[in-house]
Amino acid sequence: GQQLNQSPQSMFIQEGEDVSMNCTSSSIFNTWLWYKQDPGEGPVLLIALYKAGELTSNGRLTAQFGITRKDSFLNISASIPSDVGIYFCAGVYQTGANNLFFGTGTRLTVIP
Amino acid sequence: DAGVIQSPRHEVTEMGQEVTLRCKPISGHNSLFWYRQTMMRGLELLIYFNNNVPIDDSGMPEDRFSAKMPNASFSTLKIQPSEPRDSAVYFCASSWWGLGNQPQHFGDGTRLSIL
Repeated sequence: GQQLNQSPQSMFIQEGEDVSMNCTSSSIFNTWLWYKQDPGEGPVLLIALYKAGELTSNGRLTAQFGITRKDSFLNISASIPSDVGIYFCAGVYQTGANNLFFGTGTRLTVIP
Repeated sequence: DAGVIQSPRHEVTEMGQEVTLRCKPISGHNSLFWYRQTMMRGLELLIYFNNNVPIDDSGMPEDRFSAKMPNASFSTLKIQPSEPRDSAVYFCASSWWGLGNQPQHFGDGTRLSIL
């Protein structure tokens, strides 16, 4: 299957700092999604991106669909302790398909 | 609104036993996905259905795994016989697929331990 390279693998930041993580692929994707997973729960959708260049915000979260369609980034501003978790990027590769390929995740730790 | 509902939340059983995981997708969704999550391999898509029809089962590890979707509101993932290496968290997700795909929404998973 298609491979999504997500970085960094883990981050330790102070509360109040901004966070940036990204996802890249060697292939073109039609949709990019960002999910967050808390311990013992399933991934929860944060932001969905459908067009190249699209920039979308959800509260303190901002994500962009790269213009090359091969990458996406997620920014979190003014981090708080509840931002702790694992963040996954995911993409839809084939036109008309709806199966997702997932990145390996970024584990975020926020130090109060 | 009810999300994706999975049962059981936890299952511990001895190797060789049959395991059945259950999923109720979000009402109105016509696509259903089964994933397996492990530390080593991350989130892997096992199989998915559109309109109750299996579309891609290439992620199913081997013949011991089978999945069914007898109707739009229910799916099962069965492992028979189970082995210790099947221990993982199994997620079900659902979405609307059609003109204008919608993102997948996940259940809280079944944590499976095979002894």
